Amino acid sequence: GQQVKQSSPSLTVQEGGILILNCDYENDMFDYFAWYKKYPDNSPTLLISVRSNVDKREDGRFTVFLNKSGKHFSLHITASQPEDTAVYLCAAGMAGYQNFYFGKGTSLTVIP
Amino acid sequence: DTTVKQNPRYKLARVGKPVNLICSQTMNHDTMYWYQKKPNQAPKLLLFYYDKILNREADTFEKFQSSRPNNSFCSLYIGSAGLEYSAMYLCASSWTGGAPNTGQLYFGEGSKLTVL
Repeated sequence: GQQVKQSSPSLTVQEGGILILNCDYENDMFDYFAWYKKYPDNSPTLLISVRSNVDKREDGRFTVFLNKSGKHFSLHITASQPEDTAVYLCAAGMAGYQNFYFGKGTSLTVIP
Repeated sequence: DTTVKQNPRYKLARVGKPVNLICSQTMNHDTMYWYQKKPNQAPKLLLFYYDKILNREADTFEKFQSSRPNNSFCSLYIGSAGLEYSAMYLCASSWTGGAPNTGQLYFGEGSKLTVL
């Protein structure tokens, strides 16, 4: 079965707005969580990641929130910009085993 | 240079024929991954090498082979291609240094396989 699930295939937001991307995972042994960003015709690149020993990590306009009991993590983007338009893939895995599983992705469009 | 290179970029294969996809990286990363990506589906982890140790996912164990003759190079081999193998194959690498991997995965541009 699918280890990591993103429920929203697409999302549209006005420039300057706040948005939340969600991700659920199945394996409660996962201890590493990440968000990757993918532009069309490009490879995914790491945006932000967090280990399970914290429930939040902030990097500029991007914040990851982790809810281990709910097996859920999210990406919050503030002051959204047109260049945020991309596909966002969540990933989770067990850092000690190096295995990482990805969600299907959420296509984000930021309207100027 | 943080480039992961994949060859070929496009591959056309006949049903029942073998397919060999190649990935290389010059970052001295110790871990290399292969993912299969089909339209509207999540990238599916097929296998990964940590150094010389191959780890294959249970549900794809018998379908894919791989080799890593040196640190920079990793191949994905399909012995007998079926229509269901048509997909984009993404290679990625990462540096763990022997510690739990919280490092970034660097992806190649992918090899698009079409099986006819």
